[in-house]
Amino acid sequence: DQQVKQNSPSLSVQEGRISILNCDYTNSMFDYFLWYKKYPAEGPTFLISISSIKDKNEDGRFTVFLNKSAKHLSLHIVPSQPGDSAVYFCAASALGNSGYALNFGKGTSLLVTP
Amino acid sequence: KAGVTQTPRYLIKTRGQQVTLSCSPISGHRSVSWYQQTPGQGLQFLFEYFSETQRNKGNFPGRFSGRQFSNSRSEMNVSTLELGDSALYLCASSLGQRAEKLFFGSGTQLSVL
Repeated sequence: DQQVKQNSPSLSVQEGRISILNCDYTNSMFDYFLWYKKYPAEGPTFLISISSIKDKNEDGRFTVFLNKSAKHLSLHIVPSQPGDSAVYFCAASALGNSGYALNFGKGTSLLVTP
Repeated sequence: KAGVTQTPRYLIKTRGQQVTLSCSPISGHRSVSWYQQTPGQGLQFLFEYFSETQRNKGNFPGRFSGRQFSNSRSEMNVSTLELGDSALYLCASSLGQRAEKLFFGSGTQLSVL
């Protein structure tokens, strides 16, 4: 049962434009959310995170928005650069004894074209 | 500071065999987690070890097991390999606090023929 869903397998954006990657979740116990970026043949690298007590967190070109009522979060990349082309994974962590495991979505492959 | 190191990088096995994968966490990290990545399935949590104790386990059959040593290094074992076990196995380390980012290794690509 996929508790974290990334419904867009791929996204193509022009360099300089905004990339918006979306993520939905079903478990209301999730209280910490992260985005990871993954290049081929490498492990995922942490991008940005947000706690459920916030609705926005910004780090340079990356901003994550959290809408708890809709159980939805999004990652905005502005401006997009060709080096941002990678697979992006949304992940969530829940309260309780499963809180040390991250639940990942299936990923969205972002292609930024010059 | 060295990152998370996984060995071997690639592995080819046949059905029915068993395999052991190794992970060395970042120095000072006491938590090691294992994830399986298959095409179209994202990353699925296998288990997490903290101070040599399994703290969490995902929904995988008992053929998948792991352990952690006193130096925090971890091994993952898969017995009686099946074709569906072909995947990228990723190890991640952290200090072991709840709600913190994980640092991933480059993974072991396992192919079962």
